[in-house]
Amino acid sequence: AQTVTQSQPEMSVQEAETVTLSCTYDTSESDYYLFWYKQPPSRQMILVIRQEAYKQQNATENRFSVNFQKAAKSFSLKISDSQLGDAAMYFCAYRSAIRHSGNTPLVFGKGTRLSVIA
Amino acid sequence: DAGVTQSPTHLIKTRGQQVTLRCSPKSGHDTVSWYQQALGQGPQFIFQYYEEEERQRGNFPDRFSGHQFPNYSSELNVNALLLGDSALYLCASSPSGGGSYEQYFGPGTRLTVT
Repeated sequence: AQTVTQSQPEMSVQEAETVTLSCTYDTSESDYYLFWYKQPPSRQMILVIRQEAYKQQNATENRFSVNFQKAAKSFSLKISDSQLGDAAMYFCAYRSAIRHSGNTPLVFGKGTRLSVIA
Repeated sequence: DAGVTQSPTHLIKTRGQQVTLRCSPKSGHDTVSWYQQALGQGPQFIFQYYEEEERQRGNFPDRFSGHQFPNYSSELNVNALLLGDSALYLCASSPSGGGSYEQYFGPGTRLTVT
C-alpha cells in the first residue's frame, strides 16, 4: 500500500517570503500522480498543483512550484511571495495511475498547517 | 456551473443511530468518492462509486455503505454510529478513466456523534 508522509505538522512564513513544505511517499509503482491540496478554514479542499510521475519537469502554477525527486520519492511544495491568503492546511496526496473502472483514490498525508505572518 | 455540493453542512447524532449524507457531483463528472477526515488528520478514502456500483473501498467496516443514483449523485450511510465516527466527511467527484484528473471536493459534512 502506498503511504504519504508530511513531516512538518506546522510551518510559518513572513508575508512576501518563500516557504517550502516537505512530502515523501512510498510506492512500488512507477506511474502515478502527485498533488498538493490546500484546505482553508472553510474546509473546501482546493487543488494547488499536480505532477505526473512520468514528467521530469517540475510543475509550476504562478507562485507555487514543486521539487519532484522521483528516485528519492520526494515531492516538496515551494510557495513564493507568500500572501496572507496562503494560510491553510496543505495536504500532499498520491494517486496511482493504474487504470480502474472509475478513478483511483487519493492517499493523503497528515497535512502541514501553514501560518503567514504579516 | 455548480461545483460539488454536500448536505447537510452539520449534523449531530447519538451513538447507535444511523445517518445519511448526500453529495451531488460537479457537472460532467460520473465518479464519486467519499473520504473521512478526522480532526487534525488527512482525509481517508472510504469508497468510490461509478456506474451506480461500489468500485473501490478503503479500510472501513460494513457499517459504512453507499449508493449512487442514475444522475451520479451519491449517498453515504453509516449505521450503528460510534463516537469515533465523528469527523468531516468529504465527497469528491471526477471524470472516469485514467489521467491526472483533479478530484473536485465538496465543502464537507461535519458529523458529531455524542
